[in-house]
Amino acid sequence: QSVLTQPPSVSGAPGQRVTISCTESSSNFGAGYDVHWYQQLPGTAPKLLISGNSNRPSGVPDRFSGSKSGTSASLAITGLQAEDEADYYCQSYDSSLSGWVFGGGTKLTVL
Amino acid sequence: QVQLVQSGAEVKKPGASVKVSCKSSGYTFTSYGISWVRQAPGQGLEWMGWISTYNDNTNYAQNLQGRVTMTTDTSTTTAYMELRSLRSDDTAVYYCARDQVGGYGDYWGQGTLVTVSS
Repeated sequence: QSVLTQPPSVSGAPGQRVTISCTESSSNFGAGYDVHWYQQLPGTAPKLLISGNSNRPSGVPDRFSGSKSGTSASLAITGLQAEDEADYYCQSYDSSLSGWVFGGGTKLTVL
Repeated sequence: QVQLVQSGAEVKKPGASVKVSCKSSGYTFTSYGISWVRQAPGQGLEWMGWISTYNDNTNYAQNLQGRVTMTTDTSTTTAYMELRSLRSDDTAVYYCARDQVGGYGDYWGQGTLVTVSS
C-alpha cells in the first residue's frame, strides 16, 4: 500500500517562495501515477490546485506550480501572500487499493 | 458552471445509519464518476470510495467494506453515500467530488458534517 509523506508544516514571509514535498513510500510513483495537489482554506472544501503533477486548472494563479521526479513530488508557491495560508494535500492513485491516497497534509503559515 | 451540492448536517447515535446526498449540475452526470472523501475533526483527508455514474460500479476503501454503500440516481443527477453501524470515530465532514479522468477530484461539494454521539 502506498503512503504519501508530507511535512506537517512549512512557513514563509510574504513575497517569499516555499515548497512542499510529497514523498511516496512504495513503488506506486514508479508505476507512473500522477500526483495532484489541493488547497484547503479553513472551514472549506478542498480545492484542486495542481493536476497531473504540474497542470494548473483555470483560475489558479501561476504562483503555484507542481513537479514530480522519481518518488517525490513538490508544490512550489512563489510570491507568498497572506491568503495562501491553508492546508495543502497531495494525492495520487494506489493500485493496491484501486483508489485515491492522500498525503497527511501540510499547514502553510504566512509569517 | 459545475456544482456539487450536498445535504445538510446530521447528528446520529452510535449504531445508526446516515445517508448523505450530493446533487450535481452543470455537466453531463454520467460522464464522470463520484468519489467520496471524509475528514475527521483536525485530521487529514481519507478516501472512502468511488462510484461510476455510468454503470453503478463501485470500489470501496477496505476499512469501510460492509458498512458503506454508494448509489446514484441519474434522473436527479444525485449521488448518495450511506454509512451504517456508525461509531464515534465516524464523526467527520463528508465530501463528494467529481472524479476526473486521471484519478482526482476537480470539483467538490461543500461538505456535510456528520456527528455521531450518544
